[in-house]
Amino acid sequence: GQQLNQSPQSMFIQEGEDVSMNCTSSSIFNTWLWYKQDPGEGPVLLIALYKAGELTSNGRLTAQFGITRKDSFLNISASIPSDVGIYFCAGRRWGSQGNLIFGKGTKLSVKP
Amino acid sequence: GAVVSQHPSRVICKSGTSVKIECRSLDFQATTMFWYRQFPKKSLMLMATSNEGSKATYEQGVEKDKFLINHASLTLSTLTVTSAHPEDSSFYICSASQPRANEQYFGPGTRLTVT
Repeated sequence: GQQLNQSPQSMFIQEGEDVSMNCTSSSIFNTWLWYKQDPGEGPVLLIALYKAGELTSNGRLTAQFGITRKDSFLNISASIPSDVGIYFCAGRRWGSQGNLIFGKGTKLSVKP
Repeated sequence: GAVVSQHPSRVICKSGTSVKIECRSLDFQATTMFWYRQFPKKSLMLMATSNEGSKATYEQGVEKDKFLINHASLTLSTLTVTSAHPEDSSFYICSASQPRANEQYFGPGTRLTVT
């Protein structure tokens, strides 16, 4: 099935650094969701976005719904070791009934 | 709020047997539940969408007779892997959404190993 283009595929950063990852699509989306998945666990919803241009924060996390409706980014500020995991973007195409389309994930590693 | 549970968390079965996985929404009514499969280091692959009281909608390439889905109530959906084979070994994750809501909340997943 269709997948979103998520980048980067992986990141190795030092504790305290800021992180940025993004997702792009060729289709217009009406919803963008960002999830984090720890090994052996299900994804946990971090941030949900519903309007073009919307900027939403959740603690050290900030995500934005792109103005073109075809992209979204997630920033993590002042990373800590527990930020380690795989981050997935997910979106719903304009006019679809409910199925999410997932990015391939960004694996984040944080060195203490 | 929005807690989804799965049972069992881990199961090992012999080739040819069937395995049932349960997905429950604990604190909300889920009109729609989704079943995903995830291979190691890969993204989630949607298998089917399950609406309460109606037949599940399967994604292309997913055998409906092999992966039986039942969504008998607003808080429970089950996935039965019939006549399991080693290639069915995977991480199966369900998600649930509330009526007219855009978010999906995921269960913790079930690791299936077929020997």
